[in-house]
Amino acid sequence: DAGVIQSPRHEVTEMGQEVTLRCKPISGHDYLFWYRQTMMRGLELLIYFNNNVPIDDSGMPEDRFSAKMPNASFSTLKIQPSEPRDSAVYFCASNLRGRANTGELFFGEGSRLTVL
Amino acid sequence: SQKIEQNSEALNIQEGKTATLTCNYTNYSPAYLQWYRQDPGRGPVFLLLIRENEKEKRKERLKVTFDTTLKQSLFHITASQPADSATYLCALTAGSARQLTFGSGTQLTVLP
Repeated sequence: DAGVIQSPRHEVTEMGQEVTLRCKPISGHDYLFWYRQTMMRGLELLIYFNNNVPIDDSGMPEDRFSAKMPNASFSTLKIQPSEPRDSAVYFCASNLRGRANTGELFFGEGSRLTVL
Repeated sequence: SQKIEQNSEALNIQEGKTATLTCNYTNYSPAYLQWYRQDPGRGPVFLLLIRENEKEKRKERLKVTFDTTLKQSLFHITASQPADSATYLCALTAGSARQLTFGSGTQLTVLP
């Protein structure tokens, strides 16, 4: 399996622009998580989906952030408009909970976002 | 408030020694606790999971302990090697929550 695939790996944009980050989870996984990592705050959960349905979006910082999962193999995280404080590495992770509930997460390589 | 704390931001040890990393938590009752490794520019990679009813778990040179009374997990790497240099993150889930909450990580450097 190719693992969790994220794109783009790096994104540099200007304040006010729209940013779309993409994620393809591991085939067959039924949970998908979006995390953000910064030096100051570490890894923070933004939102997670189960079977394509958003379950908990309480970590989404504000209305400028939105996430969708139109099907089991694709999710997007959108920031509109972007601000310099959104600069971070955004990780997507997936998980299969149907088994012995080991709970381990499989992370992608991340999308490093820089907002100027 | 809920908190997960990992010992010192950075830990340097000599090759061949045992590295011991600490994860303390407050106001959680975790069902299980996990440890991940993260290399620069990469995503975290799962290493070990330990359940609340387990005291210790081992995998090759790695050992994890879990003390729910002390609210602490210890992560040991025996016979450490320079290739073990990375940031190690503890993470836990509690109750019916499905999501993992991560500590801030400890950066380990094994000196040759």
